[in-house]
Amino acid sequence: AQSVTQLGSHVSVSEGALVLLRCNYSSSVPPYLFWYVQYPNQGLQLLLKYTSAATLVKGINGFEAEFKKSETSFHLTKPSAHMSDAAEYFCAVRRVMEGSQGNLIFGKGTKLSVKP
Amino acid sequence: NAGVTQTPKFRVLKTGQSMTLLCAQDMNHEYMYWYRQDPGMGLRLIHYSVGEGTTAKGEVPDGYNVSRLKKQNFLLGLESAAPSQTSVYFCASSPDRGQPQHFGDGTRLSIL
Repeated sequence: AQSVTQLGSHVSVSEGALVLLRCNYSSSVPPYLFWYVQYPNQGLQLLLKYTSAATLVKGINGFEAEFKKSETSFHLTKPSAHMSDAAEYFCAVRRVMEGSQGNLIFGKGTKLSVKP
Repeated sequence: NAGVTQTPKFRVLKTGQSMTLLCAQDMNHEYMYWYRQDPGMGLRLIHYSVGEGTTAKGEVPDGYNVSRLKKQNFLLGLESAAPSQTSVYFCASSPDRGQPQHFGDGTRLSIL
């Protein structure tokens, strides 16, 4: 069965520090992977997606993620955190089982806090 | 460009009452989804639709019904609300099953 695990429900960094949000997936076939961001009282916005092209994927707002098949990971990084990055981040994998219509399986989310 | 619009944004119900949440998208997307978001649980799929006139169950469909009479609208109904259905409900749409989903801003529903 497919699944997504986000390590750490809360991550706190200082402004200007590296942001690293961890996501591990389980999938028997090459996955489609996504990172979404949710700001307070808003819906989810797509940050980036991996669809089996380049393993290093660049997204919006300076974020990027690297697909590592050997580690079944798709960690999200940003070299220098900004106060505006404070939000909740969700990793998701596209379901590939027959009849699933490609629905997404979401991780439980990681709340990022940025300290001044 | 409105994208995905959810109505209402907030609602308080009493146990046993019924209500319908409306989702409208103006992007001509075929696929539409209803999720619920609860603290520490991520998003869980309630029902989805792959086109006008079609609906299917997701992970947590019990207590909910849906309809997709028009391509641009996807309705989520609670026939007899229960406190366990207190949640934030999100609607999303996508052009097809391989494409990213676009989300509305959510409906915050409290059931007393």
